[in-house]
Amino acid sequence: SQELEQSPQSLIVQEGKNLTINCTSSKTLYGLYWYKQKYGEGLIFLMMLQKGGEEKSHEKITAKLDEKKQQSSLHITASQPSHAGIYLCGSHWQLTFGSGTQLTVLP
Amino acid sequence: NAGVMQNPRHLVRRRGQEARLRCSPMKGHSHVYWYRQLPEEGLKFMVYLQKENIIDESGMPKERFSAEFPKEGPSILRIQQVVRGDSAAYFCASSPQGQSNTGELFFGEGSRLTVL
Repeated sequence: SQELEQSPQSLIVQEGKNLTINCTSSKTLYGLYWYKQKYGEGLIFLMMLQKGGEEKSHEKITAKLDEKKQQSSLHITASQPSHAGIYLCGSHWQLTFGSGTQLTVLP
Repeated sequence: NAGVMQNPRHLVRRRGQEARLRCSPMKGHSHVYWYRQLPEEGLKFMVYLQKENIIDESGMPKERFSAEFPKEGPSILRIQQVVRGDSAAYFCASSPQGQSNTGELFFGEGSRLTVL
């Protein structure tokens, strides 16, 4: 079965700093989804990547899928407290999710 | 509000009791997914259903757990004879199409089960 490993498990940054979260798959990804979860709430869809080398941006969040389609990164530029939460990557068909990265942004 | 609705949001049960969690998908969505999130752990797939059919239940424990999505009404995740290890947040998600869909899933806010 496919497994997704996220790193780091948790991240604390000062407001305004850039950060990167990684998601590595044990198998080739045919689609990779990024979600954000606030504590006690459901998941909010951020982005989906399908093609090797693909990169998408939404506001200050950029996600990339590597050429081999086994690793994805999520980059946040000039982080804000509103970015705080748990970021999860999920495989195509979303049957497998990473264990999440807990992001704290200090004001 | 046309989002995925889950209820109850919080449920407390004693060991041995039954827990029933309900999920109403978004309007127009006929595919429902259930996930379990244990404290400090990621989201684990449990079951994928279409109206009146179980498509994939590879993540469901073999005993005590069952799910249905009837023609009318919400999808229900049923846990019989709950044990403390069943304490978790259970999330439901829906989509307009099935696994061939490359779009997002729409998640509910979860049902938090506590077993005393």
